[in-house]
Amino acid sequence: KQEVTQIPAALSVPEGENLVLNCSFTDSAIYNLQWFRQDPGKGLTSLLLIQSSQREQTSGRLNASLDKSSGRSTLYIAASQPGDSATYLCAVGGSSGSARQLTFGSGTQLTVLP
Amino acid sequence: GAGVSQSPSNKVTEKGKDVELRCDPISGHTALYWYRQSLGQGLEFLIYFQGNSAPDKSGLPSDRFSAERTGGSVSTLTIQRTQQEDSAVYLCASGQPQHFGDGTRLSIL
Repeated sequence: KQEVTQIPAALSVPEGENLVLNCSFTDSAIYNLQWFRQDPGKGLTSLLLIQSSQREQTSGRLNASLDKSSGRSTLYIAASQPGDSATYLCAVGGSSGSARQLTFGSGTQLTVLP
Repeated sequence: GAGVSQSPSNKVTEKGKDVELRCDPISGHTALYWYRQSLGQGLEFLIYFQGNSAPDKSGLPSDRFSAERTGGSVSTLTIQRTQQEDSAVYLCASGQPQHFGDGTRLSIL
């Protein structure tokens, strides 16, 4: 059974800092990996999707990497802003059969202080 | 609308009652997923629909939970004889990659 772990559980940084969020998973036979953002009381917003054959994806100040063999992904946020404050979730898409349900980590709660 | 729509956004009900949650996926998306997000449990997969195929119900926690998807579009998640441990946010997603709705916050008194 796939297990996804995110470290740290919470992070507080001053505005302008670069930061890295970590995600690890136990089964390397994955279909894809997604990073989501969740604001309080809201659903999930997809930030970056990395297919299993890819190594990284970039969108604006965000960069996500994937090392399938070691079961790790990182989300790099450059020049953090208070508006980046949210919970960041890592989710791994299964590769078996037709099911592509996501297995989620517990998230990292990020606070960017002005 | 352009996104996944869920209703109601909030639902408060008494223990033992049945509840029905609705999900309108993005038009054209054949894949539809239900997840549950509860305190201390994180996000858990419940059920997956793909076109006309039999749904993958492997995540449903008990036989009190069921889901339907009519006409390959709208889906309803039904919880019978609700218990307090059913209190959670129920999220629906459609497509691949998955696009999520804002969820239904269910509170069982």
